[in-house]
Amino acid sequence: AQSVTQLGSHVSVSEGALVLLRCNYSSSVPPYLFWYVQYPNQGLQLLLKYTSAATLVKGINGFEAEFKKSETSFHLTKPSAHMSDAAEYFCAVRGRSSNTGKLIFGQGTTLQVKP
Amino acid sequence: EAGVTQFPSHSVIEKGQTVTLRCDPISGHDNLYWYRRVMGKEIKFLLHFVKESKQDESGMPNNRFLAERTGGTYSTLKVQPAELEDSGVYFCASGRGLVDEQYFGPGTRLTVT
Repeated sequence: AQSVTQLGSHVSVSEGALVLLRCNYSSSVPPYLFWYVQYPNQGLQLLLKYTSAATLVKGINGFEAEFKKSETSFHLTKPSAHMSDAAEYFCAVRGRSSNTGKLIFGQGTTLQVKP
Repeated sequence: EAGVTQFPSHSVIEKGQTVTLRCDPISGHDNLYWYRRVMGKEIKFLLHFVKESKQDESGMPNNRFLAERTGGTYSTLKVQPAELEDSGVYFCASGRGLVDEQYFGPGTRLTVT
């Protein structure tokens, strides 16, 4: 069965510092991988997704993630944090051979950005 | 283009009562999903509609939950009777195709007392 683990339920960084949010997946076949963000009182918004093309995926708002099959990881990074990046971030997977669009989510990581 | 809308935004009911949540997907999206997040836990899949048909309902917790999507447009999720453990945020999402992006609504926060 597929699963997703996000290391760290809370991450705090200073404005301008590197953001690194960790995600590891468990799947017999490399799945589709996603990062979503949820700002307060809003729905989840897709940041980026990995399907099967380049292993380094660029998303919105300056975020990117690198798929590493050997490490079964899909960590999210941003070189310089902005105050507006404070939100909750979710890593998710979807099976390639599945006939459903079901997403399996990690537990979520709340990012705090300090001035 | 209007996004996914959900109604109500909040609902507080007593144990044993019935509640119906509604989701209006983005127009033209055949795929509609329901997810739930119980406090402190991860977001979990409930079910997936393709048009009016249930493609996958493997995440439905029990037979107190009934989802419908008559006419392949909006969907409702009824909980009857509600239990304390049903409290959480219920998200709806829609997408054009199976592998396309899922657009999420803001969620309905359900509190069962």
